[in-house]
Amino acid sequence: KAGVTQTPRYLIKTRGQQVTLSCSPISGHRSVSWYQQTPGQGLQFLFEYFSETQRNKGNFPGRFSGRQFSNSRSEMNVSTLELGDSALYLCASSYKNIQYFGAGTRLSVL
Amino acid sequence: DQQVKQNSPSLSVQEGRISILNCDYTNSMFDYFLWYKKYPAEGPTFLISISSIKDKNEDGRFTVFLNKSAKHLSLHIVPSQPGDSAVYFCAASVQEYGNKLVFGAGTILRVKS
Repeated sequence: KAGVTQTPRYLIKTRGQQVTLSCSPISGHRSVSWYQQTPGQGLQFLFEYFSETQRNKGNFPGRFSGRQFSNSRSEMNVSTLELGDSALYLCASSYKNIQYFGAGTRLSVL
Repeated sequence: DQQVKQNSPSLSVQEGRISILNCDYTNSMFDYFLWYKKYPAEGPTFLISISSIKDKNEDGRFTVFLNKSAKHLSLHIVPSQPGDSAVYFCAASVQEYGNKLVFGAGTILRVKS
């Protein structure tokens, strides 16, 4: 089976712009979670989607949003980018309590 | 508030010896624990997990021990190999609440040959 695929791998944006990141889960996995990794805060949970519904949400501002499609693919969007949004964004799909991570999207905000 | 803590930022071990990575948690509702390994520029790779109804789980060279009364878990790697050099993350979840993982800050393991 193919693993979790995240696109793009790298992104450079400027403050105030918005960005959309994409995640294709492992085939058959219906749950997709998103995490932000920064040197200062470590790995932090953003949100989880299951069957196109947001099931869990972390402590991030409303500028961070996501959605899931009927084929379980997921996107996350960050609006009005700030310098502090520079991070590695990781997507994970889940099966039987185990989360399998993609390689991540490295976002740099200038 | 740091609900999952890995107090050792780094650990250096000789090849062939045992590596012991530690993790403490504060939230008594956590009932599922996982260990991940991460190389630079890659996503975390799942290693091993343990449910709170068990106190030990073994998979090849990797063993995880859970002490619920002390809110402590540890990962043992025996024997350690140079390819094990990576960042190791401990994570915890409350199964009832779905797939929200709370991660520790990570421990850098260096296995010297």
